[in-house]
Amino acid sequence: DIQMTQSPSSLSASVGDGVTITCRASQNINRDLNWYQQKPGKAPKFLISGASSLQTGVPSRFSGTGAGTDFTLTISNLQPDDYGIYYCQQSSTFPLTFGGGTQVEI
Amino acid sequence: QLQLQESGPGLVKPSETLSLTCTVSGDSFTRSSYYWGWIRQPPGKGLEWLGSVYYTGTTYYNPSLNGRLTVSVDRSKNQFSLKLASVTAADTAIYYCVRPLGGLFPKLWFDPWGQGIQVIVSS
Repeated sequence: DIQMTQSPSSLSASVGDGVTITCRASQNINRDLNWYQQKPGKAPKFLISGASSLQTGVPSRFSGTGAGTDFTLTISNLQPDDYGIYYCQQSSTFPLTFGGGTQVEI
Repeated sequence: QLQLQESGPGLVKPSETLSLTCTVSGDSFTRSSYYWGWIRQPPGKGLEWLGSVYYTGTTYYNPSLNGRLTVSVDRSKNQFSLKLASVTAADTAIYYCVRPLGGLFPKLWFDPWGQGIQVIVSS
């Protein structure tokens, strides 16, 4: 299985800050990397596919980059609603796997 | 707007079979997706993809489940289901039904998700 490692496991930032979450795959996954946001008690919400393609309706302050094994999710101008746990997920190889999550506290 | 809703028992005894159903509404079941699937989240932990079913009936299961999982589709009812056999306490989790999108398996991401159903395995 491809292991997905996220860092940091948690972070705290202020409104208006920029934050970066890293996701590293244990082997090359090209650009087959997706991101989700989960708020407490809620189902995850899909944000980004293919490493950098923003889902319709997702604010443009969210952006994704990367290819191969190293990926980042950047939130610029952090807003109060951006709290939650962010997960990456690889869609390169069976079985599909997720990172352990990064908790973002505002 | 497509909506998914899980249903089933919240408590299952060890060694029994967990059965969950996902009802799809808000769009044509057959038009809205070629795939359907299940993901779970143990208490306080991360996400685990369990399995997906293609509209042809082809299924893809996480090997970590050791052959205990069955996912099937009932188009007449706009539903798909999960059956997990021989459950243990380790199967205690929130179970989400999902619509996989993207290309052919495994090039899939998940949107939308059901609200999730808490399942506890305990005698």
